[in-house]
Amino acid sequence: QSVLTQPPSASGTPGQRVTISCSGSRSNIGSNTVNWYQQLPGTAPKLLIYTNDQRPSGVPDRFSGSKSGSSASLAISGLQSEDEADYYCAAWDDSLNGVVFGGGAKLTVL
Amino acid sequence: EVQLVQSGAEVKKPGESLKISCKGSGYSFNSYWIGWVRQMPGKGLEWMGIIYPGDSDTRYSPSFQGQVTISADKPTSTAYLQWSSLKASDTAMYYCARRKKTYYSGSYHYYMDVWGNGTTVSVSS
Repeated sequence: QSVLTQPPSASGTPGQRVTISCSGSRSNIGSNTVNWYQQLPGTAPKLLIYTNDQRPSGVPDRFSGSKSGSSASLAISGLQSEDEADYYCAAWDDSLNGVVFGGGAKLTVL
Repeated sequence: EVQLVQSGAEVKKPGESLKISCKGSGYSFNSYWIGWVRQMPGKGLEWMGIIYPGDSDTRYSPSFQGQVTISADKPTSTAYLQWSSLKASDTAMYYCARRKKTYYSGSYHYYMDVWGNGTTVSVSS
């Protein structure tokens, strides 16, 4: 049971917009920023969004992040087949004194 | 180019000891925290702990405290994760990652910006 709650799966057709939610509590998302990681099949996780809504260099602007209260969302617009991956949210938890992850959402491009 | 290169796959028996490594290059290794993350087969990411190579300050997730030891060697820019007595439940992929700091809205916040390639650990009798 992960501390942050994500839907286990999401799907969309090419070109569509998809959102993945991440729900936490006051001690994690409510008090700290959220980061998102993309894990393509068989590869290491890669930083996708940091500090709620910032994209690292090289990440397409089709990916965007937002946060409100104790929840966060990742949006992917103009869905492409290469976006098929697992997406994880993460945040620092002040009570646990460590990083907590969501369980991951598997994105399928139909 | 900033890189973290991890040691190769390991196959061990229960009760054996193991030390896996994560070598940093392309940046000042001693100036960034390095974290370790576990991914059990078919499961999600779990944060294990973190070390600051500059002074070896180490923090552990409560779930992993006492189960593993995190260390670092400054001269070789290498971080380590070790077990004294492996269990079958330690079978997993282990990733190291660099923690970066950013100043946002009046305070510092952190994220893992560069990840290692992962080390597979298989423990079976």
